[in-house]
Amino acid sequence: GQNIDQPTEMTATEGAIVQINCTYQTSGFNGLFWYQQHAGEAPTFLSYNVLDGLEEKGRFSSFLSRSKGYSYLLLKELQMKDSASYLCAPRGQGNLIFGKGTKLSVKP
Amino acid sequence: GAVVSQHPSWVICKSGTSVKIECRSLDFQATTMFWYRQFPKQSLMLMATSNEGSKATYEQGVEKDKFLINHASLTLSTLTVTSAHPEDSSFYICSARPWETGGYEQYFGPGTRLTVT
Repeated sequence: GQNIDQPTEMTATEGAIVQINCTYQTSGFNGLFWYQQHAGEAPTFLSYNVLDGLEEKGRFSSFLSRSKGYSYLLLKELQMKDSASYLCAPRGQGNLIFGKGTKLSVKP
Repeated sequence: GAVVSQHPSWVICKSGTSVKIECRSLDFQATTMFWYRQFPKQSLMLMATSNEGSKATYEQGVEKDKFLINHASLTLSTLTVTSAHPEDSSFYICSARPWETGGYEQYFGPGTRLTVT
């Protein structure tokens, strides 16, 4: 079957670092995406991993371990505007599968 | 680059009427466009995948006669909700996969909030 597991909510302090974990099971694997979604808005693309390892992109980094079915999104130097839902979306043999997302609240 | 627009942003319609939502890729050609629906505090649910010039592929449980999808060009796909009912009220989001990049990334439109009264 296909399944995605992420924490429902997380809270962190402005300026801190937070790691959002995602475990997944898919039929086949063709990469994993992370999206950011602010309340009431559509998702925006953050990162894409297809090989094992860490992809760094400014304040955001994403890690993938295909053998473990595991990924994480690392957010550094948190800002208030980073308060949003973060969606882990692996792509199996078909299309993207979205988890319910992790709602991150950044506090001053 | 890679901008996707949707129109309208929000719409209120009466039960029994039909509503058409447009999705356009503004600065790239999209071989494939996707339509999602998202209820409050729920994940994005894929409704259908449309490829330019061919019939859409609907996900299990999505009524193709109710949600009509047309992908007439490489930059435009439309979703028509026919005979809308209050339970169809939701946030409808389209995304487009660029032809040029080989198709791994998807770019989302801003979404259309539909309220059926």
